[in-house]
Amino acid sequence: QVQLQESGPGLVKPSQTLSLTCTVSGGSISSGDYYWSWIRQHPGKGLEWIGYIYYSGSTYHNPSLKSRVTMSVDTSKNQFTLKLSSVTAADTAVYYCARVTRDGYNFHFDYWGQGALVTVSS
Amino acid sequence: QTVVTQEPSLTVSPGGTVTLTCASSTGAVTSGYYPNWFQQKPGQAPRALIFGTSNKHSWTPARFSGSLLGGKAALTLSAVQPEDEAEYYCLLYYGGAWVFGGGTKLTVL
Repeated sequence: QVQLQESGPGLVKPSQTLSLTCTVSGGSISSGDYYWSWIRQHPGKGLEWIGYIYYSGSTYHNPSLKSRVTMSVDTSKNQFTLKLSSVTAADTAVYYCARVTRDGYNFHFDYWGQGALVTVSS
Repeated sequence: QTVVTQEPSLTVSPGGTVTLTCASSTGAVTSGYYPNWFQQKPGQAPRALIFGTSNKHSWTPARFSGSLLGGKAALTLSAVQPEDEAEYYCLLYYGGAWVFGGGTKLTVL
């Protein structure tokens, strides 16, 4: 059973960099069948795709966030990381990590972490 | 900016059938948008229901089905149960980027 768990500071000051790690258990992050994604949800709002990373390090981003987003993968720890720079209160959200399975011509966001609330405030 | 539009809210009676739709501001939704559907209950992470327009995950109840309908992606719930009350989100692929719909709040009443 694949499980994903987000971790990181729950409070970040404005203008600083938000950093979250997703630890994957029950499966290898190095498998070529998967992308590893970040999604966020502002309080009381809908979902927003942030981006995803392949085990090789290739990344794909939401154009609206691209300039502030850095993603990386650590295959030795079976983890992947999100960094979002120059945060403002508008970045306050629950951040989810998820596995994206590439299955033939289909993509499916099948397994999700429970989410981590990050609040941006001084 | 690409916008994916869902009905903000729908109400269905227990045992009834309801169809939620997902439209793209770029035009008709096709299988090439790889529509995904998710269910989210309060305080929980989203749960995947449908991928690739109509494919179900192993955990997806049989009463959920996905399709393309009138240029939109559609999620149909048949024989609706009280526990199906939730927010439902669609997700579409735009050549390297993904965009979520705004969500449909489904009330079972």
